[in-house]
Amino acid sequence: NAGVTQTPKFQVLKTGQSMTLQCAQDMNHNSMYWYRQDPGMGLRLIYYSASEGTTDKGEVPNGYNVSRLNKREFSLRLESAAPSQTSVYFCASTAGPYNSPLHFGNGTRLTVT
Amino acid sequence: AQSVSQHNHHVILSEAASLELGCNYSYGGTVNLFWYVQYPGQHLQLLLKYFSGDPLVKGIKGFEAEFIKSKFSFNLRKPSVQWSDTAEYFCAVRREYGNKLVFGAGTILRVKS
Repeated sequence: NAGVTQTPKFQVLKTGQSMTLQCAQDMNHNSMYWYRQDPGMGLRLIYYSASEGTTDKGEVPNGYNVSRLNKREFSLRLESAAPSQTSVYFCASTAGPYNSPLHFGNGTRLTVT
Repeated sequence: AQSVSQHNHHVILSEAASLELGCNYSYGGTVNLFWYVQYPGQHLQLLLKYFSGDPLVKGIKGFEAEFIKSKFSFNLRKPSVQWSDTAEYFCAVRREYGNKLVFGAGTILRVKS
């Protein structure tokens, strides 16, 4: 049982380049989330998908887009990367969304130069 | 908007010392409360959670937390820390029946052996 799988683990981009971060979960969870983690700022919610077919903005959605491809997969796209998007990105899922904890992936460390 | 405050960003303790990490939240309604831990180089893992009932909840590895509704607090405690408790600890809050989990900025705990 792999849980939440994120790819890639590391990525370096130049300013203006685009890329998609992939996330898949095998726990039949309904809700999926994308967070970014920055030192001293904790985790901030970028986008989430409460259920298949729906997506909503979180605290810091600017510069990102998401796709809930099916129940298992939730991707995060950077159309034109900026240095301010250098961060560690975590995907998470939960059965709920109500009374269930989040299960996190191992993260993607992204550097934009 | 709800927010979560963690009082200390860095805490250094010697082994066997007692630990208390503060967490306060701003939302006035019914909430679900969580503490997550992130060991160096790893993803976040759930330590404990509170949904309802006994306000003193016990989690893994000897951790416990007390929910004090009147103080909007959910402090994490451990009577005697070990070197292996060195990690970053995050408090998180979600409105009851809500989709978004909001995290505090985190507290980095270093335990000296």
